[in-house]
Amino acid sequence: AQRVTQPEKLLSVFKGAPVELKCNYSYSGSPELFWYVQYSRQRLQLLLRHISRESIKGFTADLNKGETSFHLKKPFAQEEDSAMYYCALSDQAGTALIFGKGTTLSVSS
Amino acid sequence: GAGVSQSPRYKVAKRGQDVALRCDPISGHVSLFWYQQALGQGPEFLTYFQNEAQLDKSGLPSDRFFAERPEGSVSTLKIQRTQQEDSAVYLCASSSRASGGTFTDTQYFGPGTRLTVL
Repeated sequence: AQRVTQPEKLLSVFKGAPVELKCNYSYSGSPELFWYVQYSRQRLQLLLRHISRESIKGFTADLNKGETSFHLKKPFAQEEDSAMYYCALSDQAGTALIFGKGTTLSVSS
Repeated sequence: GAGVSQSPRYKVAKRGQDVALRCDPISGHVSLFWYQQALGQGPEFLTYFQNEAQLDKSGLPSDRFFAERPEGSVSTLKIQRTQQEDSAVYLCASSSRASGGTFTDTQYFGPGTRLTVL
């Protein structure tokens, strides 16, 4: 069955420290992977997707098919990065997204 | 332009009541999705529309849940005889293209409706 696992419920770091939010998936085909973010009192929004291979707000994520992972990384965390982060998967038909349970990132000064 | 809007933002229902949740997608968006997000969980897929056609309803948890999008724009999610386990945030998302393309189109989410069943 398709599944997305985010092992950390909460990740607390200090400002300027590196951040890595973990995401592992199980899927038999070639999925598309996404990171969505929800800032306080805002709606869920797309942060980045693996096919774009871009850096958004300093965040990057590399799809590792061998390890079935799509970890989100940022070298220097900022306080404004504090939010809930969801990893999501879509099959190639491009319909429903399958979400992980989310990781709360808390960045303090 | 305006994003996806949902109403009401909050709904409290007594167990057994019927509720209707509304979603206004971004104008011109072909695809519309409903998700259910329980406390402490990620969103879970309920159903998908392409224009007015409901192409996938595999995520609807029971026959008490019904969704429609009769004119291919506004959608309504109806829950009959609500139960306490229906308490959740119901999210609507829309995207500009139909499914089946070479890659998944970006889904734009609404603010959600928080349903509390007493």
